[in-house]
Amino acid sequence: EIVLTQSPGTLSLSPGESATLSCTASQSVSNSNLAWFQQRPDQAPRLLIYGASSRATGIPDRFSGGGSGTDFSLTISRLEPEDFAVYSCQQYGTSPYTFGQGSKLEIK
Amino acid sequence: EVHLVDSGGGLVQPGGSLRLSCAASGFIFSDHYMDWVRQAPGKGLEWVGRIRNKANSYTTEYAASVKGRFTISRDDSKNSLYLQMNSLTTEDTAVYYCARIALIRSPITGRYFDYWGQGTLVTVSS
Repeated sequence: EIVLTQSPGTLSLSPGESATLSCTASQSVSNSNLAWFQQRPDQAPRLLIYGASSRATGIPDRFSGGGSGTDFSLTISRLEPEDFAVYSCQQYGTSPYTFGQGSKLEIK
Repeated sequence: EVHLVDSGGGLVQPGGSLRLSCAASGFIFSDHYMDWVRQAPGKGLEWVGRIRNKANSYTTEYAASVKGRFTISRDDSKNSLYLQMNSLTTEDTAVYYCARIALIRSPITGRYFDYWGQGTLVTVSS
């Protein structure tokens, strides 16, 4: 099973700043099949990024993903109030399809 | 517009059973693989299992934590996905989400989880 470790656990920033979240896999992620999700309180996960760097439908270009192999990142530029949420990475290339534990982006 | 509606959650005693449903609309349900994912209170997301489409013989796969206890099925004529959960334990307490798997376009994009239901809460407690 591929274990995904996200850092930091919590990131405190102000609106207008930029955030970079990391996701490290215990082994190489097949074909960069790595996704990022946003989850607001009491809501379902929302797909942001797939294929490590492709934005999902309707996702603003303030969100960008990168990386390959075992190291991936999500960058959110010009933070807006609605961006403060929990972000989770997921590898979907190898079963079982595992998730990171999540990184919480909170308002400073 | 793609819409997934999860239902069937509730309170069940340890050792009991429950059947969850996911009603799909806004897309050709029969073309897609469908998955279940759960999230225990205050915890991260955990993949539960998958059912493939008719072209792939409706084959299923499960997480080790639920294999032998949970069964995923689908009824393409009703655009519905199901999760039959047996021998439930307190460890199964979670919000359960159904998720649509995107049609594969390339190995790089792969089969990602593109749309999710709103979730249904299952509480296993005596």
